[in-house]
Amino acid sequence: ETGVTQTPRHLVMGMTNKKSLKCEQHLGHNAMYWYKQSAKKPLELMFVYSLEERVENNSVPSRFSPECPNSSHLFLHLHTLQPEDSALYLCASSQDRQTNTEAFFGQGTRLTVV
Amino acid sequence: DAKTTQPNSMESNEEEPVHLPCNHSTISGTDYIHWYRQLPSQGPEYVIHGLTSNVNNRMASLAIAEDRKSSTLILHRATLRDAAVYYCILRDGSNYQLIWGAGTKLIIKP
Repeated sequence: ETGVTQTPRHLVMGMTNKKSLKCEQHLGHNAMYWYKQSAKKPLELMFVYSLEERVENNSVPSRFSPECPNSSHLFLHLHTLQPEDSALYLCASSQDRQTNTEAFFGQGTRLTVV
Repeated sequence: DAKTTQPNSMESNEEEPVHLPCNHSTISGTDYIHWYRQLPSQGPEYVIHGLTSNVNNRMASLAIAEDRKSSTLILHRATLRDAAVYYCILRDGSNYQLIWGAGTKLIIKP
């Protein structure tokens, strides 16, 4: 138990569906992150939020839409995804962006797009 | 972005020390060296980090070369629960991002 909880753990969706991934942390952290982990590829940083404000968007397609309504919750809204978007989506949090504190990861959502 | 190079996999016997190497020849002066590990079906877990000096914590030790172009993660007494993929990562000193590589899959033999 890392203090970062992701739901659902598994998700299968069609290319025309709309779904959302949820991440919750009660560690009092100010920074939250979405990562994508595809098979045989390094983790890719997708989005960074600091104090509920998006500070990084690493050239992610618009079919992925993040939302951070408060410092404890982070969502990733998905629509019209492609099969190549199938991957493990990981949420993480850290005390803040700047200092060298460790990041805490959730267990991830295994997404399959059919 | 500076990158890291690690062996794809390593094997070790249970209850023996393990030395996991990492090369980062293009590291810049402000990049920190972080290590995370990922157990099967889990998210990554922080192990240790350092800048120039060697570091110790309850999980492992980190030995950093004097020129900072390489580092070694040391697990002093491996157990079966240490079987995981170990990532050597540079934390970019300018944008604070973790730059992940492919990692080393550590196999522990009983």
